[in-house]
Amino acid sequence: ETGVTQTPRHLVMGMTNKKSLKCEQHLGHNAMYWYKQSAKKPLELMFVYSLEERVENNSVPSRFSPECPNSSHLFLHLHTLQPEDSALYLCASSPDSYNQPQHFGDGTRLSIL
Amino acid sequence: GENVEQHPSTLSVQEGDSAVIKCTYSDSASNYFPWYKQELGKGPQLIIDIRSNVGEKKDQRIAVTLNKTAKHFSLHITETQPEDSAVYFCAASKKDSSYKLIFGSGTRLLVRP
Repeated sequence: ETGVTQTPRHLVMGMTNKKSLKCEQHLGHNAMYWYKQSAKKPLELMFVYSLEERVENNSVPSRFSPECPNSSHLFLHLHTLQPEDSALYLCASSPDSYNQPQHFGDGTRLSIL
Repeated sequence: GENVEQHPSTLSVQEGDSAVIKCTYSDSASNYFPWYKQELGKGPQLIIDIRSNVGEKKDQRIAVTLNKTAKHFSLHITETQPEDSAVYFCAASKKDSSYKLIFGSGTRLLVRP
């Protein structure tokens, strides 16, 4: 399997639930990213990991908690989300240096009830 | 901070015609400019990119031009086909310690058969 794989593809959860999004990349990249994509808004960068260390936290609320156990896997743990958190969550990866192409997965469509 | 503006937000062309999407950026230090295509239910896919040391790059029916003085760059698609219908995003980044790609708000391209 190649590229960036995200699971699940769709997730519906209540505001009090706890769930996790998973991302796996098979490209040998060292940097991984979480983005939020809402309707009629530019992609919003949430977190960046380089060699398993968080290098960017773009003022994201603490109800979103990222985890990067190794350079191939990235998780986004969710708890007590709000309706405005409903969006498409995209994972991407790139080689470890800046100014490199980012390769995206197909995203998890998250709906908060 | 860096800002990327993209126009038009929607574009409808007849099959076989050309399509042009334009972006402007605010940070003169930006030096990497990728373009992404996002089809329905999929993540953004890199289609072409350009660095500031060149003014134009071509890949079959797709070309990108860069005007550093005016701080704008454009995507040109020739001989459009229905499968070119998608949302296109431009982005910009600069050579610093950040991994940030700043995205435009997207252009929905419709190619009419």
